[in-house]
Amino acid sequence: EADIYQTPRYLVIGTGKKITLECSQTMGHDKMYWYQQDPGMELHLIHYSYGVNSTEKGDLSSESTVSRIRTEHFPLTLESARPSHTSQYLCASRGAIRRHSPLHFGNGTRLTVT
Amino acid sequence: GQQLNQSPQSMFIQEGEDVSMNCTSSSIFNTWLWYKQDPGEGPVLLIALYKAGELTSNGRLTAQFGITRKDSFLNISASIPSDVGIYFCAGPLTQGGSEKLVFGKGMKLTVNP
Repeated sequence: EADIYQTPRYLVIGTGKKITLECSQTMGHDKMYWYQQDPGMELHLIHYSYGVNSTEKGDLSSESTVSRIRTEHFPLTLESARPSHTSQYLCASRGAIRRHSPLHFGNGTRLTVT
Repeated sequence: GQQLNQSPQSMFIQEGEDVSMNCTSSSIFNTWLWYKQDPGEGPVLLIALYKAGELTSNGRLTAQFGITRKDSFLNISASIPSDVGIYFCAGPLTQGGSEKLVFGKGMKLTVNP
């Protein structure tokens, strides 16, 4: 069972607020990812990191930012939330052992911006 | 952009029926992964395929890595209500020196008891 945790599970917040979605993993994985999942189910990669102090933007443009100061922690921040940011945010990690090691996902944060 | 074409997009079946879904790509993949997402949860890995032609089972689930390396399918036999969820195919793609996991758009399965 994967040990990757996201908090909060649900968040309802007003427009203009700054929020940080937390993601932590206890598996020592170097690679971590943030996906945004729209109501139509599709997963969109918005940020990824291959290790401490390494962050890259994903395929879908996002106004969020990420940081990777510690291996186990990969928080996502929205400086000023807007209704268009309403979505499900999924954090994932994987090791780099052999072949392509599969992603382990957290349970997600469902964000609603009013 | 999206690299994987997953079909069908949704299925409504009766309990006990078999389910079949597939994923195709214009690119060659060296790994195919199948995930399931329960409502309100994150996706969980069901089956990983690493070799062209490989056929792998996990309980009532069977998945195959296509011989061309451009497709994969997943079968669920004798479906039960807890099979409800969204099924994703995925595969690693190397672009610009970095490897990313690309996902299909998902197949939403509904099982009527």
